[in-house]
Amino acid sequence: DARVTQTPRDKVTEMGQEVTMRCQPILGHNTVFWYRQTMKQGLELLAYFRNRAPLDDSGMPKDRFSAEMPDATLATLKIQPSEPRDSAVYFCASALGTSGSPQETQYFGPGTRLLVL
Amino acid sequence: KNQVEQSPQSLIILEGKNCTLQCNYTVSPFSNLRWYKQDTGRGPVSLTIMTFSENTKSNGRYTATLDADTKQSSLHITASQLSDSASYICVVSDRGSTLGRLYFGRGTQLTVWP
Repeated sequence: DARVTQTPRDKVTEMGQEVTMRCQPILGHNTVFWYRQTMKQGLELLAYFRNRAPLDDSGMPKDRFSAEMPDATLATLKIQPSEPRDSAVYFCASALGTSGSPQETQYFGPGTRLLVL
Repeated sequence: KNQVEQSPQSLIILEGKNCTLQCNYTVSPFSNLRWYKQDTGRGPVSLTIMTFSENTKSNGRYTATLDADTKQSSLHITASQLSDSASYICVVSDRGSTLGRLYFGRGTQLTVWP
């Protein structure tokens, strides 16, 4: 049963600390998305990659957030330094996309719940 | 301003009943509209994806409709089950890029009671 995995599932940290979240997309999927969900803002797209190349990170605060894909089986989202307003659930999703296709089904991971004190 | 508005914000229905959730958008240009189901504490699951040329799409007991002229979509759930209790999120994509920029509704929280 192929699924997106995310680690850690829960993270509590103190303000100013570095936080790294990891995502393993479904094997063979070439598109990876990072989302953030809060009660106040709802779901927001932070960034996405296709074939490991960043295509859009306009939704991500550039000063403290960074997203990378070191290889096709791992995507990372890093926050440095973390702030209380970063507290949210961070979802990773993957899809098998073809250039120009708007109909890719995205498969979401279980999320990482982040609490910054 | 591109927006996606969902209504109602929350809904309670009895098991076995039908219900319809609404999504109105002002996103332009339009590429596609997606409905997701999100159970509490879990990631969203895709229900339907519709492009401009499609006006209805079904996935089991879920049927989505799209009126691109009035920029409205609805998600109809037939013969509701307890497991339908979840948040239903409408997401609209424009044609700014390969994927398009995504605009998210705030969701409708559905509760199905026995």
